[in-house]
Amino acid sequence: KAGVTQTPRYLIKTRGQQVTLSCSPISGHRSVSWYQQTPGQGLQFLFEYFSETQRNKGNFPGRFSGRQFSNSRSEMNVSTLELGDSALYLCASSLQTSYTEAFFGQGTRLTVV
Amino acid sequence: AQKITQTQPGMFVQEKEAVTLDCTYDTSDPSYGLFWYKQPSSGEMIFLIYQGSYDQQNATEGRYSLNFQKARKSANLVISASQLGDSAMYFCAITIIQGAQKLVFGQGTRLTINP
Repeated sequence: KAGVTQTPRYLIKTRGQQVTLSCSPISGHRSVSWYQQTPGQGLQFLFEYFSETQRNKGNFPGRFSGRQFSNSRSEMNVSTLELGDSALYLCASSLQTSYTEAFFGQGTRLTVV
Repeated sequence: AQKITQTQPGMFVQEKEAVTLDCTYDTSDPSYGLFWYKQPSSGEMIFLIYQGSYDQQNATEGRYSLNFQKARKSANLVISASQLGDSAMYFCAITIIQGAQKLVFGQGTRLTINP
């Protein structure tokens, strides 16, 4: 079956712009979570959605937001981009419970110039 | 709060040797899950193995096994018969069972397999 799909794979934006990243989870998976990976901070949790509801949120400014649609696809948005937002953004999908494996997409590499 | 510590920033191993990647964790919650992921230079995170805190036996998946020592809060990954394609970053992660999927990752270990 198809894995987690993230689009686009690469993105270059200018400071001050906004960006929207998309994640389509594995069919049947209802939980989607987002992570930011940078060389300095490593992998950090952004937020998690389950059945269109945000269940958990990491320690990121309000410029980072997300949503989940009824088909479990999720988007994350970053407004007023800063140079420090340059990172690999990964999304993971998992089944209903937390006792299960989380499968990641290939990520979106965002560069802010 | 949960924490994962991976004390080996880098490891160099000869092909076909077994390798152990260290991971210790800290949590006060009795219900948790431990994961290992592989991240090649392409960037994608590849799921390797999962161990639940209540699982009685150590998890195994092909050449990967997890040496789970609950009392020591240790969850080391063992790769048997290493291959050149095993060269990558390896991350240990923990999730707490509280109704939300949130992984806390370690800093990772860069594994290099030499021919």
